[in-house]
Amino acid sequence: AQSVTQLGSHVSVSEGALVLLRCNYSSSVPPYLFWYVQYPNQGLQLLLKYTTGATLVKGINGFEAEFKKSETSFHLTKPSAHMSDAAEYFCAVSPYGNNRLAFGKGNQVVVIP
Amino acid sequence: GAVVSQHPSRVICKSGTSVKIECRSLDFQATTMFWYRQFPKKSLMLMATSNEGSKATYEQGVEKDKFLINHASLTLSTLTVTSAHPEDSSFYICSAEVAGGPKNEQFFGPGTRLTVL
Repeated sequence: AQSVTQLGSHVSVSEGALVLLRCNYSSSVPPYLFWYVQYPNQGLQLLLKYTTGATLVKGINGFEAEFKKSETSFHLTKPSAHMSDAAEYFCAVSPYGNNRLAFGKGNQVVVIP
Repeated sequence: GAVVSQHPSRVICKSGTSVKIECRSLDFQATTMFWYRQFPKKSLMLMATSNEGSKATYEQGVEKDKFLINHASLTLSTLTVTSAHPEDSSFYICSAEVAGGPKNEQFFGPGTRLTVL
């Protein structure tokens, strides 16, 4: 079975500062890894995903994440936070070849002007 | 492209009644749709996988007789919460995979807030 750990339900970051959201996973088989963003009253939107190949993945809105197998991590970063980045962010894992997603509890990001 | 809608966005019902939630893929066909439940300050929990023209596959611990899923067409899946109780109050989210598209890429609906009085 797979699971995802996201620490810190609320994350505050100053505008222009680095955004770092941590995600650790457990999976019995090679995983596919995802980050989703959810704005108020909207559905989840895919930010980026890792399936195979390059371990540094670039996504939309300037976000990127790096898959580190040895650390079972897939942390999300953005060099400079914008006010529009305020949202809920979810990390998710899916075992290779299986389309069922397991989500972390999410991080509510607050951007301080 | 790849827009998923849900209807209604909010519903309030009395205990003991049944509520139907629709999930539609607006601009693509979806052979597989998923239903999730999201509790406050909790992650999304996969309830079931819905495949067009066949029975849904329920996750362990999800009562299939309580949460009826129908996926009668390539653009519509419905979730019916039968004999709803206050503990069924939650945020229900559906997602869909594009038929013939990349596996593991799901497009999510905006969710339905169910409140059972």
